[in-house]
Amino acid sequence: GENVEQHPSTLSVQEGDSAVIKCTYSDSASNYFPWYKQELGKRPQLIIDIRSNVGEKKDQRIAVTLNKTAKHFSLHITETQPEDSAVYFCAALDSSYKLIFGSGTRLLVRP
Amino acid sequence: DTAVSQTPKYLVTQMGNDKSIKCEQNLGHDTMYWYKQDSKKFLKIMFSYNNKELIINETVPNRFSPKSPDKAHLNLHINSLELGDSAVYFCASSHSSGGEQFFGPGTRLTVL
Repeated sequence: GENVEQHPSTLSVQEGDSAVIKCTYSDSASNYFPWYKQELGKRPQLIIDIRSNVGEKKDQRIAVTLNKTAKHFSLHITETQPEDSAVYFCAALDSSYKLIFGSGTRLLVRP
Repeated sequence: DTAVSQTPKYLVTQMGNDKSIKCEQNLGHDTMYWYKQDSKKFLKIMFSYNNKELIINETVPNRFSPKSPDKAHLNLHINSLELGDSAVYFCASSHSSGGEQFFGPGTRLTVL
């Protein structure tokens, strides 16, 4: 079955710097890759997603890139702000329509 | 306005008890899910229903039984609760299998 690995597990950046979180997946049939942000005590919320027919997608300060050949995808946050501090999860939708999550990255943006 | 709602928000109970968590979505979605988030924040799919039909049933003890009375509701019943069942349980829904998933607020279950 699908396996998703996520790195780093924790990331601390200065406000205004960029943050990059990387994920790899194992099932080449996976075709949908969402990223979720979870603040403390709250629900996971979708922040951006990408399907396997595109290589990059941008939404303001957030971008996601996908390399199907290497089976990895990354989240890029530019001009980080303290309110970006949260746990970020990548996920991959496998061929059985199961969303398999990475283990999460705790992002801390220092003011 | 709430899209995906769950009750209760907190559930504290003794080992061996039976409890239920309810989930409702008003988005008109066809597919609903239950996830378990453990103390290390790891999110894992448990079940999925599409139009009241079970389509995903992960390796979950049979003490856990989902029930979907209609497309807008997916409840989770847990028998003979164990300490290891303590976790946050999230319900989610999507327009169809493979679509964007919207999560409920979660139910924090504590088994003493």
